[in-house]
Amino acid sequence: GIQVEQSPPDLILQEGANSTLRCNFSDSVNNLQWFHQNPWGQLINLFYIPSGTKQNGRLSATTVATERYSLLYISSSQTTDSGVYFCADDSYSGGGADGLTFGKGTHLIIQP
Amino acid sequence: SAVISQKPSRDICQRGTSLTIQCQVDSQVTMMFWYRQQPGQSLTLIATANQGSEATYESGFVIDKFPISRPNLTFSTLTVSNMSPEDSSIYLCSVEVGQPYGYTFGSGTRLTVV
Repeated sequence: GIQVEQSPPDLILQEGANSTLRCNFSDSVNNLQWFHQNPWGQLINLFYIPSGTKQNGRLSATTVATERYSLLYISSSQTTDSGVYFCADDSYSGGGADGLTFGKGTHLIIQP
Repeated sequence: SAVISQKPSRDICQRGTSLTIQCQVDSQVTMMFWYRQQPGQSLTLIATANQGSEATYESGFVIDKFPISRPNLTFSTLTVSNMSPEDSSIYLCSVEVGQPYGYTFGSGTRLTVV
């Protein structure tokens, strides 16, 4: 199956700082998504981005499918941005959705 | 996008007992997915549940330990059987709803086995 590598594993920033999180994939990108898991364990869908660039407020994401990587940008960080950020993709085989393979995540701490 | 109601949200269980987790989707979906997230770890796919057929389990997960039911296109249950403290995890269900949303997740069940 597909392998997903995320970097950095941990990131500590001051409020107001910008950050870039990276995701590398071992195979073709199919249904790439970025998630934020809050301290209560809820998984929030940030972006569905198999290719191209999307923006939502202070967050944006870019996927370069030909080079098998994706970037998540967080600008003007706030303490509420703290949590774990996951990227994930599936290995769509033509027989239907296969479920997501997740990276190990980036643990982000925003200090006031 | 689909909305998934998952319950219970959390539970504390005695070792040797079983817990059944339920997920209800507000629309009909072909496949439902169950994941486990052990403390401090990433999410791992347990199994894929199709309506009307046996669930497909990933390597390392077996039906006797994690039986799954899928009686219709909007509902599924996962049972964690004969629990031990190592089963303490967050369990999440998910569905794939296609573009532009991809996969969406239930709010998770935080299980502690004592």
